[in-house]
Formats: sequence, C-alpha cells, structure tokens
Amino acid sequence: DAGVTQSPTHLIKTRGQHVTLRCSPISGHKSVSWYQQVLGQGPQFIFQYYEKEERGRGNFPDRFSARQFPNYSSELNVNALLLGDSALYLCASSLVGGTNTGELFFGEGSRLTVL
Amino acid sequence: KQEVTQIPAALSVPEGENLVLNCSFTDSAIYNLQWFRQDPGKGLTSLLLIQSSQREQTSGRLNASLDKSSGRSTLYIAASQPGDSATYLCAVRFPTNTGNQFYFGTGTSLTVIP
Repeated sequence: DAGVTQSPTHLIKTRGQHVTLRCSPISGHKSVSWYQQVLGQGPQFIFQYYEKEERGRGNFPDRFSARQFPNYSSELNVNALLLGDSALYLCASSLVGGTNTGELFFGEGSRLTVL
Repeated sequence: KQEVTQIPAALSVPEGENLVLNCSFTDSAIYNLQWFRQDPGKGLTSLLLIQSSQREQTSGRLNASLDKSSGRSTLYIAASQPGDSATYLCAVRFPTNTGNQFYFGTGTSLTVIP
C-alpha cells in the first residue's frame, strides 16, 4: 500500500511568489494535517482537515490556506512568500480526525526554499 | 500555551548500549502521545503511539512509557545499533477549542557509534 505522498519534493521560489503543495493521504484515511518544520526545530501545526472541513488551524498568517478535496487529497497554498517561509512542509494523514484521535503517518515532505 | 520538551538535545552512545530518551509536557489533559523517528532531510516515521489510557507500548527493541500525572514520557531503546542513528521526536496531542492538535518537541539527535 502506498503511504502518504507529497509533491513536489523540492522547489525554489522568490519572495512575493505563490506556492501550492500537494498531498495524497493513505488510502482510507480521511484526515489530513499540514506542518511546517524549520531546520533544527520540531514540526509546527498549520492546518487539519477532516471530511473536507477545516478542523484546526495553527498560529500562521492568512497567507497560508489549504483545502481538502472529495478524494481526501489536500493542497496547501502560501501567498506572498517570505524568506522565513523556507522550510520542510510535511503532510500527515490519519484514519480519523476531528475529536477522534488516531496515529499520524507522515509523507517525505516538500522542501521549499525562498530566495 | 502547550509545550513539549525533549532532553537531551543530542546523545552519542556506543553500539549495544541501552538508552532512554525523555519527553515532558505541560498539561496532563492529553489525548495521546506519539514517538517518531526522522532521518536527515526526510519525513517522520511513526514508532509508537500511546493513548492517554495506556501506560506503555512496545515494538521490538523499543518501549515507550507514559505518566500523564507527571507530564512525562520515555522512549527506551534496547541494544542500540548504528542504524538507530536519527532524530527522535515526541508529539503530544492536546485538546483545543476546535478539536485537538499535536505539539512537537525539538527532538533528540541520537548517534550510535559502531
């Protein structure tokens, strides 16, 4: 079975540009979460989606947005990129979400570099 | 604000040693706690998940314990091997106003010397 898949794996953007990152959860998983990991730090929670609805939002500016599609895949969008947005963006899926709790499974991440 | 702390930040041990990694958190009202492994530049690999009602979980050479009242978890690795070298992350799921959210520690970087 395929695990969590993310694309692209690496990308380079310049300040002010926009980026879209994509994630496909493990088959049967309905919850997708996005995390930002800056070098040397633990991942920071950005968004959680469950059954196509936003169920949680971390402390990130409105330049960050996300959505979940009917097939449970998800996109993370970041507008007006700043140098500080350079990070590894991780997607995680779980079988359940919302007020239920389940094991998180992560993808390999998308490495974003902003110049 | 919820916080998760991992000590030590780095650890170097000779092959074959047993070792303990520590994780502490600020609030005992948690849903569960999950330990991950991360290799350089890679994603996170799930090692063990402990629900709030459990005291420990075991998988092979790994054993994780949870003491909610003291806000602590430990990951015990038996008979360490060079392949165990990686960063180990502790993540705690806390309740929030809208559901729940994982908070991560900054990790313990483990080096096992052959």
